[in-house]
Amino acid sequence: EPEVTQTPSHQVTQMGQEVILRCVPISNHLYFYWYRQILGQKVEFLVSFYNNEISEKSEIFDDQFSVERPDGSNFTLKIRSTKLEDSAMYFCASVRPTGLAEAFFGQGTRLTVV
Amino acid sequence: GQQLNQSPQSMFIQEGEDVSMNCTSSSIFNTWLWYKQDPGEGPVLLIALYKAGELTSNGRLTAQFGITRKDSFLNISASIPSDVGIYFCAGRRGAQKLVFGQGTRLTINP
Repeated sequence: EPEVTQTPSHQVTQMGQEVILRCVPISNHLYFYWYRQILGQKVEFLVSFYNNEISEKSEIFDDQFSVERPDGSNFTLKIRSTKLEDSAMYFCASVRPTGLAEAFFGQGTRLTVV
Repeated sequence: GQQLNQSPQSMFIQEGEDVSMNCTSSSIFNTWLWYKQDPGEGPVLLIALYKAGELTSNGRLTAQFGITRKDSFLNISASIPSDVGIYFCAGRRGAQKLVFGQGTRLTINP
């Protein structure tokens, strides 16, 4: 069964460093999302992406964040200068193109900023 | 913004008991989804609801889309140890973002 895959599973980085989190959505899906989950808290929306552009973003998604779909299969989230409070699980999700609105999530990347 | 209020926040039950949790919102949603999250894993879709009043089952799980389109519940019958985890409701309007509830942490005593 097709699934959303994310790499790496765990990333440790120093404060101020840039990180790129990678996702490969399900191949025929057209809507893509990044969510984050701080430990023990709810899943929070960051950004949605459709037709090669951002369709919606939350107030969390400030100028330090960017997304890209560079090659038609990968979907990346970049954090330019990480802060301690960026430590969280980051989930990628994709939604199939027509009809049903179910979002399928990857396993997540645990980002630890030290 | 759109907010989902999920309750209860946590539940401690005996194996074999039935479980009920719900979500309410001040906004109307066209789709309600219920997810389960195991520790260190991503949310896994359990049930999707698309029509007001719809009642859908998936094994021991039953979920309903409220008539007002502002609420949904999830029931789990005859709980077993593998039901342990965090359950999230999520709502969507059209192609907009999926909005999540705060989660219900289910703990089962054998």
